[in-house]
Amino acid sequence: QKEVEQDPGPLSVPEGAIVSLNCTYSNSAFQYFMWYRQYSRKGPELLMYTYSSGNKEDGRFTAQVDKSSKYISLFIRDSQPSDSATYLCAMSAMNRDDKIIFGKGTRLHILP
Amino acid sequence: SAVISQKPSRDICQRGTSLTIQCQVDSQVTMMFWYRQQPGQSLTLIATANQGSEATYESGFVIDKFPISRPNLTFSTLTVSNMSPEDSSIYLCSVGVTGSEKLFFGSGTQLSVL
Repeated sequence: QKEVEQDPGPLSVPEGAIVSLNCTYSNSAFQYFMWYRQYSRKGPELLMYTYSSGNKEDGRFTAQVDKSSKYISLFIRDSQPSDSATYLCAMSAMNRDDKIIFGKGTRLHILP
Repeated sequence: SAVISQKPSRDICQRGTSLTIQCQVDSQVTMMFWYRQQPGQSLTLIATANQGSEATYESGFVIDKFPISRPNLTFSTLTVSNMSPEDSSIYLCSVGVTGSEKLFFGSGTQLSVL
């Protein structure tokens, strides 16, 4: 089993819909959870950053962590065509020597 | 946050040649990282560039193939040496935030090796 699993998509949804992006992981030591957005021909951009379990909201974006299920989600409300990008989940353990492990990314298309 | 300038943005190279990628940050940073992003694959850490010391390479990456320089706290280079088509990938420079797991990335270098 890979450390981090993420469905590559592509995921196509109509404008205005709620988008749900997910990752599962196997390492119970992971404590830091991040979502990055990557537009075509650009580097990843940090979107959401959470520590341990729970929810975090920032505008139209909500990050959710369920450590008991080893499952994290990113919800995008009122999706816009400008949200079309690849979304990468990432996570790491508390030890500062631990690497950040990335998912493969989910390609998202918001249809106008 | 940090503004990271990376160049070239893309290049097409011949097999057996070398390419040096430059990364400039707008502020002094302790940790700089080099990642590779292959199609359909997750971001893979190549090495951590430390100012004033040798870079630390991850398993599967060696200094002879990917020499790194870090002459000061705002600049680093990654060289992809003796290239083969398998080196075709996006290479990304990244910096970390002290005391945090947050990373900031440059725009990447799209490398194609013929």
